[in-house]
Amino acid sequence: DQQVKQNSPSLSVQEGRISILNCDYTNSMFDYFLWYKKYPAEGPTFLISISSIKDKNEDGRFTVFLNKSAKHLSLHIVPSQPGDSAVYFCAARLVSGSRLTFGEGTQLTVNP
Amino acid sequence: DADVTQTPRNRITKTGKRIMLECSQTKGHDRMYWYRQDPGLGLRLIYYSFDVKDINKGEISDGYSVSRQAQAKFSLSLESAIPNQTAFYFCATSDGATLAEKLFFGSGTQLSVL
Repeated sequence: DQQVKQNSPSLSVQEGRISILNCDYTNSMFDYFLWYKKYPAEGPTFLISISSIKDKNEDGRFTVFLNKSAKHLSLHIVPSQPGDSAVYFCAARLVSGSRLTFGEGTQLTVNP
Repeated sequence: DADVTQTPRNRITKTGKRIMLECSQTKGHDRMYWYRQDPGLGLRLIYYSFDVKDINKGEISDGYSVSRQAQAKFSLSLESAIPNQTAFYFCATSDGATLAEKLFFGSGTQLSVL
């Protein structure tokens, strides 16, 4: 039972345009959401997070939006750069514990 | 120097062999985790430890065991490797002090079981 789903395995955008990566979840007991970025042959690195009490969190070119009623979050990257090409994982944390549940990942390719 | 170091980086082994993957960290974190990554399945938690005397099963612990030898060391063993354990394995740490539960990952071990 996949509680965190990233339905798009891949996304391709032009440099300078907006990249929007989506994530859906099923468990209403998730209270914190995180995005990780992973380059080939490296471990994932933390990118940005959002608490369930907020609907938006911004950090430079990266913004995460949370729609609790739809159980949906999205990561916006503006403007996209070739160095943003990586796999992006969405993750969620349950209120009752500290374990993270990850989505399947989305491969973002930013074309020059 | 990497804060979370995994050895080996790559390993090819045969079905039925016992192998150990090692993880050490210099971040001073109490919490350590082992994840497995398979294409199309994301990262799945195998085992985690919040302290030296604490070991907990994750989503997919069958066929694996762990040892927390010290605060800085957490090893993963495959007692009798099978081909469907071919995957990328990541060790991670966290300090548990923040709500975000931010994980710091090692560079991973590519394991192939023939």
